Amino acid sequence: KAGVTQTPRYLIKTRGQQVTLSCSPISGHRSVSWYQQTPGQGLQFLFEYFSETQRNKGNFPGRFSGRQFSNSRSEMNVSTLELGDSALYLCASTPEGAYGYTFGSGTRLTVV
Amino acid sequence: GQNIDQPTEMTATEGAIVQINCTYQTSGFNGLFWYQQHAGEAPTFLSYNVLDGLEEKGRFSSFLSRSKGYSYLLLKELQMKDSASYLCAVIGTGGFKTIFGAGTRLFVKA
Repeated sequence: KAGVTQTPRYLIKTRGQQVTLSCSPISGHRSVSWYQQTPGQGLQFLFEYFSETQRNKGNFPGRFSGRQFSNSRSEMNVSTLELGDSALYLCASTPEGAYGYTFGSGTRLTVV
Repeated sequence: GQNIDQPTEMTATEGAIVQINCTYQTSGFNGLFWYQQHAGEAPTFLSYNVLDGLEEKGRFSSFLSRSKGYSYLLLKELQMKDSASYLCAVIGTGGFKTIFGAGTRLFVKA
């Protein structure tokens, strides 16, 4: 059974650019959550999607957005990148009716 | 507000026992998780507590007291490979949003 797949693994972008990150959950998992991880802040919740609907959103500016497709794959987009957006972005999926995440390996974004 | 506190770093000796504490204040409670994260890797699930008491799984045990907003992760017979960050996380109201603590970096020395 394949795990949670995130692409790309590493990304370097320039301030002001935008970026799109992709996450494919475990087959059958319809809930996908996104987190930003930085050394000082730990894991910060971005948003959670279930069946193409955003069910919950964290306290991030509107530059951070996401979506989920009918096959449960999810993307998150960050526009007008800032240096402070440099972080590890983790995606996690959960089976319906259960708690507990399976995380992907993450996308490490560096903004220069 | 919502807050999860855990020590920043701990050091223990191989073969010993270590207890990592976590206190939380959240809007509602639907369970508490512990995750392990090795440097450069994704977090992996260790334990889930929703009722008060101790859950044991091999060398790892997790305890929960909901009335005190307190949990701990107990690691026995420490091994060098246990050197990692340990993340305490709480599912709040609605069950859709999991809040993480900043993590405790555990260093196991020979």
